[in-house]
Amino acid sequence: LAKTTQPISMDSYEGQEVNITCSHNNIATNDYITWYQQFPSQGPRFIIQGYKTKVTNEVASLFIPADRKSSTLSLPRVSLSDTAVYYCLVGSGSGNTGKLIFGQGTTLQVKP
Amino acid sequence: NAGVTQTPEFQVLKTGQSMTLQCAQDMNHEYMSWYRQDPGMGLRLIHYSVGAGITDQGEVPNGYNVSRSTTEDFPLRLLSAAPSQTSVYFCASSSWNTIYFGEGSWLTVV
Repeated sequence: LAKTTQPISMDSYEGQEVNITCSHNNIATNDYITWYQQFPSQGPRFIIQGYKTKVTNEVASLFIPADRKSSTLSLPRVSLSDTAVYYCLVGSGSGNTGKLIFGQGTTLQVKP
Repeated sequence: NAGVTQTPEFQVLKTGQSMTLQCAQDMNHEYMSWYRQDPGMGLRLIHYSVGAGITDQGEVPNGYNVSRSTTEDFPLRLLSAAPSQTSVYFCASSSWNTIYFGEGSWLTVV
């Protein structure tokens, strides 16, 4: 299992770009990197997933360097509603390994 | 478009009581799991299943039992509730690497 390490917390202001980096030094060849967002009193929800290079969707971008030992979630022009906990998760793409373990996550506080 | 459904949403138990948290998914996912989340903390994996008839322990399995008789259902049983089990419980099902969570079950043990 690839362990992940993220900053515990980050602060930002509305309209800024936020980058949250996750370290996963022991990532396996078949592992994908997935980011989740969790609001208070709700279950986490999928944001973005990637294997290598860059992935972009309507919500965020995910940057993965060639060695794949880290990844960076980029949130463009954050708003107050982006205040949440963000989790980085690494798991096998070749069928479910079963044990999908979350790290502590990064609490993002967006200020006006 | 139900996704993952958990019941009950809220429950108060007395120490020593047993109960079952229900979880059902309608996405035909093989993989299902249970997490608990204590206030201000991250998600910890309790038990998981990679298919009907197959279950395994996660990070914090003590005090909990699971079974998986069908693809759709994955109930979590608290055998003898303790105050330390006061938490929010999330059921999840997974397609490949994307996890879909239920809305949570808030459990208080007094």
